[in-house]
Amino acid sequence: DAKTTQPPSMDCAEGRAANLPCNHSTISGNEYVYWYRQIHSQGPQYIIHGLKNNETNEMASLIITEDRKSSTLILPHATLRDTAVYYCIVRVDSGGSNYKLTFGKGTLLTVNP
Amino acid sequence: GAVVSQHPSRVICKSGTSVKIECRSLDFQATTMFWYRQFPKQSLMLMATSNEGSKATYEQGVEKDKFLINHASLTLSTLTVTSAHPEDSSFYICSARDLRGYSEAFFGQGTRLTVV
Repeated sequence: DAKTTQPPSMDCAEGRAANLPCNHSTISGNEYVYWYRQIHSQGPQYIIHGLKNNETNEMASLIITEDRKSSTLILPHATLRDTAVYYCIVRVDSGGSNYKLTFGKGTLLTVNP
Repeated sequence: GAVVSQHPSRVICKSGTSVKIECRSLDFQATTMFWYRQFPKQSLMLMATSNEGSKATYEQGVEKDKFLINHASLTLSTLTVTSAHPEDSSFYICSARDLRGYSEAFFGQGTRLTVV
């Protein structure tokens, strides 16, 4: 699976949009971009994933560049409860026992009041 | 989304004893479950892949005789830490993927193991 690079930490003001970048310059054509987050002392929570089109759900938006070498997770209106470590993961969606996720160090997003 | 439940959420045990952690998919069936370990201020590290009805596949460096994994049904996998030592103290997390085809994996809430 392709390696990802994320900033170790970011700050965001409550109510503002949080834009979390991820570089994945070695991504292959069949690799998806997944985002998870982990609030302190809890298991990771799925946020969103995409292949090449931008995606949006009730939690966030995922913007993938045209060359797919980077992406940005957008939390449109960050709240204090969004403070967490955010992980960007790229992998092939091959299903079954091949579906193991390799976590990097992620970005610690701190939302400030 | 689907729900994965772990039990217990916290456990303290004495050195030399064994501890069993359960991972259940509550509203879906999962052929495959995954076990991770996370030390303080570090990322999750995959320990093993648990397949229903067959032996687990362990990652390099993980002792299969120390971390026993059983996946007896499509909704339950267990991790047993045998002869626990203080260095086994960690946060253990399981995850599972819905057979019906959801692309994402769902994670349990984790188990904090402290060996004293």
